[in-house]
Amino acid sequence: QSVLTQPPSASGTPGQRVTMSCSGSSSNIGNNYAYWYQQLPGTAPKLLIYSNDQRPSGVPDRFSGSKSGTSASLAISGLRSEDEADYYCAAWDDSLRGPVFGGGTKVTVL
Amino acid sequence: QITLKESGPTLVIPTQTLTLTCTFSGFSVRTNGVGVGWIRQPPGKALEWLALIYWDDDKRYNPSLKNRLTITKDTSKNQVVLRMTNTDPVDTATYYCAYRLQNFGPAAFAYWGQGTLVTVSP
Repeated sequence: QSVLTQPPSASGTPGQRVTMSCSGSSSNIGNNYAYWYQQLPGTAPKLLIYSNDQRPSGVPDRFSGSKSGTSASLAISGLRSEDEADYYCAAWDDSLRGPVFGGGTKVTVL
Repeated sequence: QITLKESGPTLVIPTQTLTLTCTFSGFSVRTNGVGVGWIRQPPGKALEWLALIYWDDDKRYNPSLKNRLTITKDTSKNQVVLRMTNTDPVDTATYYCAYRLQNFGPAAFAYWGQGTLVTVSP
């Protein structure tokens, strides 16, 4: 059972906008930054969003993050076939004194 | 260029101790603010943070596994080592080491190794 809660799946057709949520608590997302990782099949996770809404160099601006209260969201606009992957949210947890992850959302491009 | 690579046994007998080594390049674990963590992923399941070690030798452990984990660093070899005692088949997973980029925040693992699959089985 992951500390952060994500819907198990999301889907869309090419070009559509897909959003996914990440629910936490005051000990993690509520008082700390949210992060998003993309994991393509058979590969290691890749940092997609940091500090709630910042993109590392090289990440397309089709990916955007936001945070409100104890929840965070990731949106993918202009969905592409190469976006088919698992997406994990993460945050630092003050109670656990370490990072926590969500259970992941599998994005399918129809 | 920052790279990390995990190494260790692919098969472990239950109750044995698992020792994994992360060998990295492109940064020094002596540099102020640097952190290296271990994260695992059972087949078909989610990521789970295990341990984190900082440049100043501060260590953090997942409370659910704390009694079984030890993380250390060898600055001369550019390595971080994770030991897990009393292994069980539920510890079967791909184990990743990752470099935490301080400027991006405390949970920003910006660089990851390729991962190593460890199977715990009699």
